[in-house]
Amino acid sequence: DADVTQTPRNRITKTGKRIMLECSQTKGHDRMYWYRQDPGLGLRLIYYSFDVKDINKGEISDGYSVSRQAQAKFSLSLESAIPNQTALYFCATSDFGTNEQFFGPGTRLTVL
Amino acid sequence: QQQVKQSPQSLIVQKGGISIINCAYENTAFDYFPWYQQFPGKGPALLIAIRPDVSEKKEGRFTISFNKSAKQFSLHIMDSQPGDSATYFCAASKQTGANNLFFGTGTRLTVIP
Repeated sequence: DADVTQTPRNRITKTGKRIMLECSQTKGHDRMYWYRQDPGLGLRLIYYSFDVKDINKGEISDGYSVSRQAQAKFSLSLESAIPNQTALYFCATSDFGTNEQFFGPGTRLTVL
Repeated sequence: QQQVKQSPQSLIVQKGGISIINCAYENTAFDYFPWYQQFPGKGPALLIAIRPDVSEKKEGRFTISFNKSAKQFSLHIMDSQPGDSATYFCAASKQTGANNLFFGTGTRLTVIP
């Protein structure tokens, strides 16, 4: 969805490196989410934010941190990347009072 | 633990056939059940959703059947087409408060021409 953009789209890095994945949205939504997708495991929630001052851990937050720089921007950091963080990462947004989430195109991250 | 269980993991259907994907949940507080469709290289997108006050919802060739007592719901794709080939995820959440989605593990559907 062009309204939710993610950068970079692909990234290869080495174990121990710090990585930041960025998400921007033009939908005007308050709520933003970070998920990771692994084959056979579906989508799992890492962190979510209901507004700029509200950050919450999801199911699998260990090894990750986030920053909500503005209503439209939500970034995910891997402080010291490890190989089992190799996955497809998605950002999503939703409007307050609704359940539908709108996903970005994803970032494919490979940690060697 | 997986809050929403989905089966099968993969499905191959002939063009014109019916595709059926099943999901089950445990948390009785869930009251919103969407299905998302994901094409290769794209993010998931909402396909159809149901709330537990109805047992069935139909949109075109796509139907959700919901069984509250069994805590199960399923997606039926009638007259399946090659363009339906994608990965399908069921999910569940509460409609209010921290309404985070809990996703199933996904079903990769292939429709053979």
